[in-house]
Amino acid sequence: QQPVQSPQAVILREGEDAVINCSSSKALYSVHWYRQKHGEAPVFLMILLKGGEQKGHEKISASFNEKKQQSSLYLTASQLSYSGTYFCGTVSGGSNYKLTFGKGTLLTVNP
Amino acid sequence: KAGVTQTPRYLIKTRGQQVTLSCSPISGHRSVSWYQQTPGQGLQFLFEYFSETQRNKGNFPGRFSGRQFSNSRSEMNVSTLELGDSALYLCASSESGRELRNEQFFGPGTRLTVL
Repeated sequence: QQPVQSPQAVILREGEDAVINCSSSKALYSVHWYRQKHGEAPVFLMILLKGGEQKGHEKISASFNEKKQQSSLYLTASQLSYSGTYFCGTVSGGSNYKLTFGKGTLLTVNP
Repeated sequence: KAGVTQTPRYLIKTRGQQVTLSCSPISGHRSVSWYQQTPGQGLQFLFEYFSETQRNKGNFPGRFSGRQFSNSRSEMNVSTLELGDSALYLCASSESGRELRNEQFFGPGTRLTVL
């Protein structure tokens, strides 16, 4: 089942902060975050694994609440280059490790 | 290392036809996943191949199929095309084992238009 992202869209001024949330109805093994700029391929930001391990870019901050099956991506002091669509993907594990993406959050950073 | 490449980049077909898309992963990556991206549904998982075996499959009809070769290159095929199959098809490669603990590297996609 597809995770639910919120908000669907957000507009910021440069320097402002934003939080993008991702919620699943299933128990999660991991949460993956990607950013896609218009006309480009999605680019990896971070993986958060059950048990606390994280892999990703140093400037990206995220959290994973395993009990609530929720994750949040924190974008601080936003830059124009942060604009794009952010996708969270979830892996439920068990016998089926497939990555299911949410519908995305469109982030626009204006000068 | 060269990135993930996909061919062709653009394709126009008519309903009822079939199409084959190709993906060459990053050298050394054995996992290749395919996604369909549409404005309304976002990124939807089609299937994943690892070492020539389909390891996972999404909820798409049997008209969508794929395969992987011994050099890890992958193809996906869509038979009896429908208008709703118009989408951007993305392939992603990874070093991941079964548990998908590593990042996926996406190709530029193939834009398929069905008329």
